[in-house]
Amino acid sequence: QQPVQSPQAVILREGEDAVINCSSSKALYSVHWYRQKHGEAPVFLMILLKGGEQKGHDKISASFNEKKQQSSLYLTASQLSYSGTYFCGTEEFYNTDKLIFGTGTRLQVFP
Amino acid sequence: GAVVSQHPSWVICKSGTSVKIECRSLDFQATTMFWYRQFPKQSLMLMATSNEGSKATYEQGVEKDKFLINHASLTLSTLTVTSAHPEDSSFYICSASSDRQSKQYFGPGTRLTVT
Repeated sequence: QQPVQSPQAVILREGEDAVINCSSSKALYSVHWYRQKHGEAPVFLMILLKGGEQKGHDKISASFNEKKQQSSLYLTASQLSYSGTYFCGTEEFYNTDKLIFGTGTRLQVFP
Repeated sequence: GAVVSQHPSWVICKSGTSVKIECRSLDFQATTMFWYRQFPKQSLMLMATSNEGSKATYEQGVEKDKFLINHASLTLSTLTVTSAHPEDSSFYICSASSDRQSKQYFGPGTRLTVT
């Protein structure tokens, strides 16, 4: 069963913040975050490997709560280039050979 | 970052024919390659995982005789859609990783249209 992301869609003005959540029904080993622009392949953003881990790059950061089997992606001071569909990819604790992608969150940033 | 290519970028074929899609890791050795299918406005659905030199592992519901996967070398995997039908029309994306449990690098995808 694929992880559920919320919200399904977000509309922002440049400079606003957003949070995207990814929730799994399975125990997780890691969470990967990707952004996909229309008609293109997903682009890797970051991996979270340890429960409680938080990491970030520029104004995009993420956290991983392994007890709650969920992860959140934080987009701060959004830019037009942040527009796209965000997917979390989860590695289950007892099945770490593959990623199961979440339902996706479509983000649109307007000037 | 690592580069993964796919060929062709798009293909249109007639119902009943077979189509081969290639996935190459250009600057690293990919011990594992993954094949995904993505329908419009939907998530990526894993079809199969392939390791170099061994048979692919297919996800539940994916017909292994219809979607033939070959991972002949550490830099090349191919997906052949046999006897394609219009419902097979989709965006097929491969990814590669250099070791298990590491991040995946995605190819640009191949859009298949079956008429």
